[in-house]
Amino acid sequence: AQTVTQSQPEMSVQEAETVTLSCTYDTSESNYYLFWYKQPPSRQMILVIRQEAYKQQNATENRFSVNFQKAAKSFSLKISDSQLGDTAMYFCAFTLEGNKLVFGAGTILRVKS
Amino acid sequence: DTGVSQDPRHKITKRGQNVTFRCDPISEHNRLYWYRQTLGQGPEFLTYFQNEAQLEKSRLLSDRFSAERPKGSFSTLEIQRTEQGDSAMYLCASSFLGGRRTEAFFGQGTRLTVV
Repeated sequence: AQTVTQSQPEMSVQEAETVTLSCTYDTSESNYYLFWYKQPPSRQMILVIRQEAYKQQNATENRFSVNFQKAAKSFSLKISDSQLGDTAMYFCAFTLEGNKLVFGAGTILRVKS
Repeated sequence: DTGVSQDPRHKITKRGQNVTFRCDPISEHNRLYWYRQTLGQGPEFLTYFQNEAQLEKSRLLSDRFSAERPKGSFSTLEIQRTEQGDSAMYLCASSFLGGRRTEAFFGQGTRLTVV
């Protein structure tokens, strides 16, 4: 069975600074997908970034980038130039293609002005 | 397309009553998922459909829970004889299997409170 672990229950960062959220996962599969989802206080889950396991290049989406270390089963999210609107719960998630998502417990990120 | 929509947004019910939630996925999506999320936790998988076929059910889905997707479009999740432990946010998500991008898109959820 696949598991996802987020070891940081809460993080805070000053506006305009950079923060990294950690995620590790466990699987015996070689082809899978990893995601970071953001859940603001309004509660709708929003996709932030995705990574295909077969791609060595780390995914980037504007201010968001990942550090994907397949051998170490690590998938961290870096947020650059943090903005107040980045305040949310962030979930790391794993899936085999098209199947259910397995989520971590989440990290609350607070961006301070 | 307005995305995944769920109805109702909030439901308060008395213990022992039955409740039904509805999810309308993104129209071209063939997969539909239900998750349950308790406060401060990550969503937990309940069940999913490909078109109208229910392909997997979690052991979390007791026999009081039933889900349907009769025409491969909208889905309903029914909870019979509700218990206080059923209080949670119920999230629906949809995705398209077969395209280049298969990520799931979520609705805003239905918050259930059992009193």
